[in-house]
This record gives sequence, structure tokens and C-alpha cells, in this order.
Amino acid sequence: DGGITQSPKYLFRKEGQNVTLSCEQNLNHDAMYWYRQDPGQGLRLIYYSQIVNDFQKGDIAEGYSVSREKKESFPLTVTSAQKNPTAFYLCASGPTGTGAYEQYFGPGTRLTVT
Amino acid sequence: AQKVTQAQTEISVVEKEDVTLDCVYETRDTTYYLFWYKQPPSGELVFLIRRNSFDEQNEISGRYSWNFQKSTSSFNFTITASQVVDSAVYFCALSEAFGGADGLTFGKGTHLIIQP
Repeated sequence: DGGITQSPKYLFRKEGQNVTLSCEQNLNHDAMYWYRQDPGQGLRLIYYSQIVNDFQKGDIAEGYSVSREKKESFPLTVTSAQKNPTAFYLCASGPTGTGAYEQYFGPGTRLTVT
Repeated sequence: AQKVTQAQTEISVVEKEDVTLDCVYETRDTTYYLFWYKQPPSGELVFLIRRNSFDEQNEISGRYSWNFQKSTSSFNFTITASQVVDSAVYFCALSEAFGGADGLTFGKGTHLIIQP
């Protein structure tokens, strides 16, 4: 079955620790995205990548880092520099080309930092 | 800068009622794309519809319909004969990217509660 997997579903960390969230897709999409969702808020774009070995900052990239070494994978690292890391993180992927295409989302990872 | 406003934070209706979710957008581009997503309690976003700025035809899919009006910068979503399974958070989103692979700008969402 094609889709996007994110692991783990729930993640707990102590303040000051870096943590990496996994995102894998087998939809053969070129583009991948990371969004953050806070309670009662919409999704905000953290980083996105349109092609392997290239990525761009979104609206709230500070305190986060990403890599895109493989087409299928786009891990997100939440660093200790992120002031409010507790949130729901959603990964998405989509095709590229002329026009804007819908993005397909994974099940999300709920990160709690104490 | 682009912006999406969903003024209705929460809507509660009784099953079988019709309900309309409002979406107003702002953009400087003449070419743009609008989306609706559904987020059930599980958290995963489910794609519902994509509409480009050149296509103002309303669309109907079963009990769902969408009304796109460029004159008022609105892209409203109506559920006819609502069901309990329609309970979710619904997001409207916008993309200005002609290249197609930039991120989406989301509204804050409308929490729809369908009471049995």
C-alpha cells in the first residue's frame, strides 16, 4: 500500500535534548513537507524539499533542521534551540510540476517536551 | 502575503442538518489554488478538493459541495444532510505556487460537531 509513515506516534523528551522525527513515503513524490500544528491553530510550514539534497525554510524554520538524502525520506530534527517544541508534527508529500497539487499527509507525531 | 481566514472556530449542528463552513482568502497572485482538508480525531489530514483560480464552477461530490467566488475571495464548503461521521476539523488552504511544490497556507480550521 502506498502512503506516508511517521514514527513514532507519540514522543516524549526532556528539555534540552535534540529529537528526530521520521517521515517515509512510497508514493514516488518528489516534494516533501513538514508542518507543525498547535491546539486550535492551523498548520504552519517548517521546511519543504522539492528534490533530493535540496530543501527550503518555511515560515517557522528556527530551531529545526532537516535532510533529504533519499527521495523517500525527510527526517526532521527538533533542536534544543526550539523554544516551544511541544506540538503535533505532520509530514506530507506531493508531486511537482505545473500547477499546485494536493499534498498527502502522514498520521503525525505528537511530541511532548518537559 | 497570502492568508486564509476561517472565522468559524466551532460549529455544532444536529445530524441531518445542512452546514456551511466559510473560507476567505487573500492573495496578490492571479494564479492560485485552493484546497479543503478534513482532520478526523485520529489526526491525519484527508484531502477533499483542489480548485484553481481559473475555475469558478461550483463542485458537488455526494453530500459535499463547494462554492468558489473570486469576487468575494471565498471558497465555502457545504455538507448536506450532515452525519456524525462528518465530525472533524476542516481546514481551508491556499497555494500561490505556479511551480506547484511550495507549502500550503492553512486557515486555523473549523471544528465541526455533528450531534446525533
